[in-house]
Amino acid sequence: DIVMTQSPDSLAVSLGERATINCKSSQSVLASSNNQNYLAWYQLKPGQPPKLLIYWASTRESGVPERFSGGGSGTDFTLTISSLQAEDVAVYYCQQYYKTPYNFGQGTKLEI
Amino acid sequence: QVQLQESGPGLVKPSGTLSLTCTVSGGSISSSNWWSWVRQPPGKGLEWIGEFYPPGSSNYNPSLKSRVTLSVDKFNNQISLKLSSVTAADTAVYYCARRNFYFDLWGQGTLVTVSS
Repeated sequence: DIVMTQSPDSLAVSLGERATINCKSSQSVLASSNNQNYLAWYQLKPGQPPKLLIYWASTRESGVPERFSGGGSGTDFTLTISSLQAEDVAVYYCQQYYKTPYNFGQGTKLEI
Repeated sequence: QVQLQESGPGLVKPSGTLSLTCTVSGGSISSSNWWSWVRQPPGKGLEWIGEFYPPGSSNYNPSLKSRVTLSVDKFNNQISLKLSSVTAADTAVYYCARRNFYFDLWGQGTLVTVSS
Protein backbone atom coordinates (compact mmCIF):
# COMPACT_ATOMS: atom_id res chain seq x y z
CA ASP A 1 0.00 0.00 0.00
CA ILE A 2 1.06 3.60 -0.57
CA VAL A 3 1.08 5.44 2.73
CA MET A 4 0.32 9.16 2.63
CA THR A 5 1.73 11.33 5.41
CA GLN A 6 0.77 14.96 5.84
CA SER A 7 2.49 17.65 7.85
CA PRO A 8 1.71 19.42 10.00
CA ASP A 9 -1.33 17.81 11.64
CA SER A 10 -2.66 21.28 12.43
CA LEU A 11 -1.79 24.77 11.34
CA ALA A 12 -2.82 28.23 12.48
CA VAL A 13 -2.33 31.06 10.02
CA SER A 14 -3.37 34.71 10.15
CA LEU A 15 -5.89 36.06 7.70
CA GLY A 16 -4.18 37.16 4.52
CA GLU A 17 -1.07 35.11 5.20
CA ARG A 18 0.22 32.06 3.33
CA ALA A 19 -0.59 28.53 4.44
CA THR A 20 1.41 25.54 3.24
CA ILE A 21 0.53 21.90 3.81
CA ASN A 22 2.89 19.09 2.96
CA CYS A 23 2.11 15.58 1.78
CA LYS A 24 4.57 12.75 1.35
CA SER A 25 3.85 9.39 -0.28
CA SER A 26 5.72 6.22 0.66
CA GLN A 27 6.38 5.55 -3.02
CA SER A 28 6.29 7.62 -6.15
CA VAL A 29 2.90 8.41 -7.64
CA LEU A 30 4.40 9.75 -10.86
CA ALA A 31 3.40 7.64 -13.82
CA SER A 32 6.04 7.31 -16.51
CA SER A 33 3.37 6.52 -19.10
CA ASN A 34 1.90 10.03 -19.05
CA ASN A 35 4.27 11.97 -16.75
CA GLN A 36 1.41 12.75 -14.41
CA ASN A 37 1.39 12.70 -10.62
CA TYR A 38 -1.66 10.79 -9.38
CA LEU A 39 -2.22 13.10 -6.41
CA ALA A 40 -5.31 15.08 -5.37
CA TRP A 41 -6.18 17.50 -2.60
CA TYR A 42 -9.57 17.80 -0.91
CA GLN A 43 -11.11 20.28 1.53
CA LEU A 44 -13.47 18.98 4.18
CA LYS A 45 -15.73 21.18 6.26
CA PRO A 46 -18.09 19.97 9.02
CA GLY A 47 -21.39 18.71 7.64
CA GLN A 48 -20.21 18.90 4.04
CA PRO A 49 -18.76 16.29 1.67
CA PRO A 50 -15.13 16.53 0.63
CA LYS A 51 -14.52 19.11 -2.05
CA LEU A 52 -11.96 18.44 -4.77
CA LEU A 53 -9.45 21.29 -4.94
CA ILE A 54 -6.48 20.04 -6.94
CA TYR A 55 -5.83 16.99 -9.14
CA TRP A 56 -2.81 15.76 -11.08
CA ALA A 57 -0.93 17.43 -8.19
CA SER A 58 -1.23 20.93 -9.62
CA THR A 59 -4.42 21.30 -11.68
CA ARG A 60 -7.02 23.45 -9.97
CA GLU A 61 -10.60 22.17 -10.15
CA SER A 62 -13.07 24.45 -11.89
CA GLY A 63 -14.46 27.05 -9.51
CA VAL A 64 -11.66 26.73 -6.95
CA PRO A 65 -10.17 30.14 -6.08
CA GLU A 66 -6.78 30.94 -7.55
CA ARG A 67 -5.28 31.34 -4.08
CA PHE A 68 -5.20 27.52 -3.90
CA SER A 69 -2.26 25.93 -5.68
CA GLY A 70 -0.62 22.53 -5.67
CA GLY A 71 2.94 21.53 -6.40
CA GLY A 72 5.50 18.81 -6.13
CA SER A 73 6.30 15.58 -7.92
CA GLY A 74 7.16 11.98 -7.22
CA THR A 75 6.77 11.59 -3.48
CA ASP A 76 6.65 15.14 -2.11
CA PHE A 77 3.76 17.51 -2.61
CA THR A 78 2.43 20.78 -1.25
CA LEU A 79 -0.87 22.59 -1.08
CA THR A 80 -0.51 26.33 -0.74
CA ILE A 81 -3.15 28.91 0.07
CA SER A 82 -1.57 32.20 -0.88
CA SER A 83 -3.75 34.52 1.20
CA LEU A 84 -5.86 32.81 3.83
CA GLN A 85 -9.52 33.70 3.97
CA ALA A 86 -11.92 32.93 6.83
CA GLU A 87 -13.83 30.45 4.67
CA ASP A 88 -10.67 28.36 4.20
CA VAL A 89 -10.89 27.00 7.75
CA ALA A 90 -11.24 23.27 7.15
CA VAL A 91 -9.38 19.99 7.19
CA TYR A 92 -7.33 19.29 4.09
CA TYR A 93 -6.48 15.84 2.77
CA CYS A 94 -4.12 14.64 0.11
CA GLN A 95 -4.92 11.39 -1.69
CA GLN A 96 -3.12 9.19 -4.18
CA TYR A 97 -5.00 7.54 -6.99
CA TYR A 98 -1.99 5.81 -8.53
CA LYS A 99 -2.93 2.40 -7.23
CA THR A 100 -5.42 0.74 -4.93
CA PRO A 101 -6.08 1.15 -2.08
CA TYR A 102 -6.54 4.85 -2.79
CA ASN A 103 -5.18 6.09 0.51
CA PHE A 104 -5.64 9.52 1.99
CA GLY A 105 -3.32 11.42 4.26
CA GLN A 106 -4.36 11.76 7.89
CA GLY A 107 -5.55 15.32 7.31
CA THR A 108 -4.31 18.77 8.27
CA LYS A 109 -6.58 21.01 10.30
CA LEU A 110 -6.25 24.63 9.20
CA GLU A 111 -7.32 27.35 11.61
CA ILE A 112 -7.15 31.09 11.80
CA GLN B 1 -25.86 17.99 -13.42
CA VAL B 2 -24.99 14.62 -11.93
CA GLN B 3 -25.76 14.24 -8.24
CA LEU B 4 -25.22 11.43 -5.76
CA GLN B 5 -27.39 10.65 -2.75
CA GLU B 6 -26.70 8.02 -0.11
CA SER B 7 -29.52 6.33 1.76
CA GLY B 8 -29.97 3.56 4.27
CA PRO B 9 -30.44 2.79 7.97
CA GLY B 10 -28.70 5.15 10.34
CA LEU B 11 -28.41 2.53 13.06
CA VAL B 12 -27.07 -1.00 12.75
CA LYS B 13 -26.62 -3.56 15.51
CA PRO B 14 -23.19 -5.04 16.24
CA SER B 15 -22.44 -8.17 14.20
CA GLY B 16 -25.13 -7.15 11.73
CA THR B 17 -24.81 -6.00 8.12
CA LEU B 18 -24.64 -2.37 7.08
CA SER B 19 -26.50 -1.75 3.81
CA LEU B 20 -26.37 1.52 1.93
CA THR B 21 -27.51 2.67 -1.50
CA CYS B 22 -26.18 5.52 -3.60
CA THR B 23 -28.59 6.89 -6.18
CA VAL B 24 -27.12 8.64 -9.20
CA SER B 25 -29.33 11.32 -10.73
CA GLY B 26 -28.76 13.51 -13.76
CA GLY B 27 -26.56 10.97 -15.47
CA SER B 28 -26.08 7.29 -16.19
CA ILE B 29 -24.37 4.96 -13.81
CA SER B 30 -23.13 3.10 -16.86
CA SER B 31 -20.95 6.00 -17.96
CA SER B 32 -17.22 5.37 -18.04
CA ASN B 33 -16.62 5.98 -14.35
CA TRP B 34 -15.81 3.99 -11.27
CA TRP B 35 -18.14 4.45 -8.33
CA SER B 36 -16.55 4.38 -4.89
CA TRP B 37 -17.47 4.29 -1.24
CA VAL B 38 -15.42 6.29 1.26
CA ARG B 39 -16.02 6.63 4.97
CA GLN B 40 -14.99 8.94 7.80
CA PRO B 41 -15.26 7.71 11.39
CA PRO B 42 -16.00 10.45 13.94
CA GLY B 43 -12.89 12.51 14.59
CA LYS B 44 -10.82 10.51 12.11
CA GLY B 45 -9.68 10.72 8.52
CA LEU B 46 -11.04 9.48 5.22
CA GLU B 47 -10.85 5.79 4.32
CA TRP B 48 -11.49 4.35 0.86
CA ILE B 49 -13.67 1.25 1.06
CA GLY B 50 -13.91 0.04 -2.52
CA GLU B 51 -15.22 0.74 -5.99
CA PHE B 52 -17.34 -0.74 -8.73
CA TYR B 53 -17.24 -0.36 -12.50
CA PRO B 54 -20.72 -1.15 -13.88
CA PRO B 55 -19.54 -3.50 -16.61
CA GLY B 56 -18.57 -5.71 -13.70
CA SER B 57 -15.17 -4.93 -12.25
CA SER B 58 -14.48 -4.05 -8.63
CA ASN B 59 -11.62 -3.16 -6.32
CA TYR B 60 -11.59 -3.30 -2.53
CA ASN B 61 -9.49 -1.98 0.32
CA PRO B 62 -7.69 -5.10 1.62
CA SER B 63 -8.45 -3.98 5.17
CA LEU B 64 -12.19 -4.43 4.52
CA LYS B 65 -12.32 -6.79 1.56
CA SER B 66 -13.50 -9.84 3.48
CA ARG B 67 -16.59 -7.96 4.74
CA VAL B 68 -17.52 -5.77 1.74
CA THR B 69 -19.86 -6.45 -1.14
CA LEU B 70 -20.45 -3.88 -3.87
CA SER B 71 -23.12 -4.15 -6.53
CA VAL B 72 -24.94 -2.04 -9.08
CA ASP B 73 -28.57 -1.73 -10.13
CA LYS B 74 -28.42 -0.26 -13.62
CA PHE B 75 -32.19 -0.06 -13.93
CA ASN B 76 -32.50 2.20 -10.89
CA ASN B 77 -29.13 3.90 -11.39
CA GLN B 78 -27.92 2.81 -7.96
CA ILE B 79 -24.77 1.48 -6.35
CA SER B 80 -25.01 -0.56 -3.19
CA LEU B 81 -22.64 -1.26 -0.33
CA LYS B 82 -22.95 -4.10 2.15
CA LEU B 83 -20.55 -4.36 5.08
CA SER B 84 -20.95 -7.45 7.22
CA SER B 85 -20.04 -8.28 10.82
CA VAL B 86 -20.00 -4.64 11.84
CA THR B 87 -18.60 -3.33 15.10
CA ALA B 88 -18.50 0.09 16.73
CA ALA B 89 -15.36 0.79 14.68
CA ASP B 90 -17.55 0.86 11.57
CA THR B 91 -19.48 3.86 12.87
CA ALA B 92 -18.81 6.57 10.33
CA VAL B 93 -20.16 8.95 7.74
CA TYR B 94 -20.33 6.96 4.53
CA TYR B 95 -19.92 8.74 1.19
CA CYS B 96 -20.37 7.53 -2.33
CA ALA B 97 -18.15 9.21 -4.87
CA ARG B 98 -17.51 9.15 -8.58
CA ARG B 99 -13.95 8.44 -9.59
CA ASN B 100 -12.61 9.77 -12.84
CA PHE B 101 -9.05 9.03 -11.80
CA TYR B 102 -9.57 11.36 -8.79
CA PHE B 103 -12.86 11.69 -6.83
CA ASP B 104 -14.59 14.53 -8.63
CA LEU B 105 -18.12 14.16 -7.33
CA TRP B 106 -19.36 13.23 -3.86
CA GLY B 107 -22.67 12.55 -2.22
CA GLN B 108 -23.61 14.43 0.93
CA GLY B 109 -22.81 11.43 3.07
CA THR B 110 -24.86 9.49 5.59
CA LEU B 111 -24.03 8.74 9.20
CA VAL B 112 -24.24 5.11 10.22
CA THR B 113 -23.96 4.26 13.90
CA VAL B 114 -23.25 0.74 15.06
CA SER B 115 -24.84 0.24 18.44
CA SER B 116 -27.15 -2.13 20.26
